[in-house]
Amino acid sequence: GAVVSQHPSRVICKSGTSVKIECRSLDFQATTMFWYRQFPKKSLMLMATSNEGSKATYEQGVEKDKFLINHASLTLSTLTVTSAHPEDSSFYICSAPQGKVDTQYFGPGTRLTVL
Amino acid sequence: SQKIEQNSEALNIQEGKTATLTCNYTNYSPAYLQWYRQDPGRGPVFLLLIRENEKEKRKERLKVTFDTTLKQSLFHITASQPADSATYLCALGDTGRRALTFGSGTRLQVQP
Repeated sequence: GAVVSQHPSRVICKSGTSVKIECRSLDFQATTMFWYRQFPKKSLMLMATSNEGSKATYEQGVEKDKFLINHASLTLSTLTVTSAHPEDSSFYICSAPQGKVDTQYFGPGTRLTVL
Repeated sequence: SQKIEQNSEALNIQEGKTATLTCNYTNYSPAYLQWYRQDPGRGPVFLLLIRENEKEKRKERLKVTFDTTLKQSLFHITASQPADSATYLCALGDTGRRALTFGSGTRLQVQP
């Protein structure tokens, strides 16, 4: 099956710093990747759609200058949380669709804690 | 607005019994529905997909039904095992948009 990795799995940072999270498709190419955010016991909330070679598409209410997305290759998308604040603490998960009806293959997630 | 509802209360069942989880949706006409399993601190893992023109799908001990009139999907795990304990998410999709819309999930706890 398709494998998606994420790095780092866990990060703790000080308020005001920027954090970069990588999402890689290991055994397939992904022209599209999705970034989600999940709060405890809550649903996955789509933040943005990352498109290889073009600008990301952000969901309503998600600040594009706050959450920078770069999809520089067919196997790598990055999410940078700029000037992180405690309210940005969350579980960030990426996914890449594959197949005719776009089954999503998820990364293992990144736990971000902003102090 | 689109809304997906899954039982927020945890479902506790005895090992060997059948677990049935419910996914209801409103203001949506999905082309397909998917079920995922999520373990604590991990990303979701795909389990089953059922299309709008399908009534039922099976895979090993798993069975999914899809009733577009009731706007409901039922997810069954037969002969449940403690290893089946996890949160199960339903997700809706359509052909015009590649992203899925997820429910909040139901936590299943199978007691030995």
